[in-house]
Amino acid sequence: KNEVEQSPQNLTAQEGEFITINCSYSVGISALHWLQQHPGGGIVSLFMLSSGKKKHGRLIATINIQEKHSSLHITASHPRDSAVYICAARGDMRFGAGTRLTVKP
Amino acid sequence: DVKVTQSSRYLVKRTGEKVFLECVQDMDHENMFWYRQDPGLGLRLIYFSYDVKMKEKGDIPEGYSVSREKKERFSLILESASTNQTSMYLCASSSTGTGARYTEAFFGQGTRLTVV
Repeated sequence: KNEVEQSPQNLTAQEGEFITINCSYSVGISALHWLQQHPGGGIVSLFMLSSGKKKHGRLIATINIQEKHSSLHITASHPRDSAVYICAARGDMRFGAGTRLTVKP
Repeated sequence: DVKVTQSSRYLVKRTGEKVFLECVQDMDHENMFWYRQDPGLGLRLIYFSYDVKMKEKGDIPEGYSVSREKKERFSLILESASTNQTSMYLCASSSTGTGARYTEAFFGQGTRLTVV
């Protein structure tokens, strides 16, 4: 069983919609990492957070350490947000399977 | 500009060959990781290293070994390549950080290995 679970696996949205991707983990972690992978394979780091909330532009990440749950929100989604979003438990860096987001114009 | 560099973007090897995938980072990071990524399975951790000459098995170490002789370089070795090792391989590095100062991970561009 994967120690890091993401939902949904696939998500299709219309441009402008508010999007939420969820990540639950069964291991005790000190921080959680959100990553973005575009077609072609390049991976970029979005957030590393250990508590509360972080915001960068239209992206917001929250984490509840006690409930072992994190969410990534995208406000006013845009087709360029189409990518795979991956959460990872900090430490030994085990990843969720990813959420494939497609935003249609 | 921080960088994690993988030696090859595309690689084609024959079954049974010994294959070396190299990863170099210029950020003086303590931690380095090797993953493979397959459709529907996401990123799976093969091996990681917290320090020079140290290595830890990840989730799928079978058929692989690693070497970390220098802090900046982490090599993944396929002892005898097999077709089921055809995959995208990604290297990452991160700093341990101190106290509450956790740092993000940086990824290489990936190596798409095909074993024929």
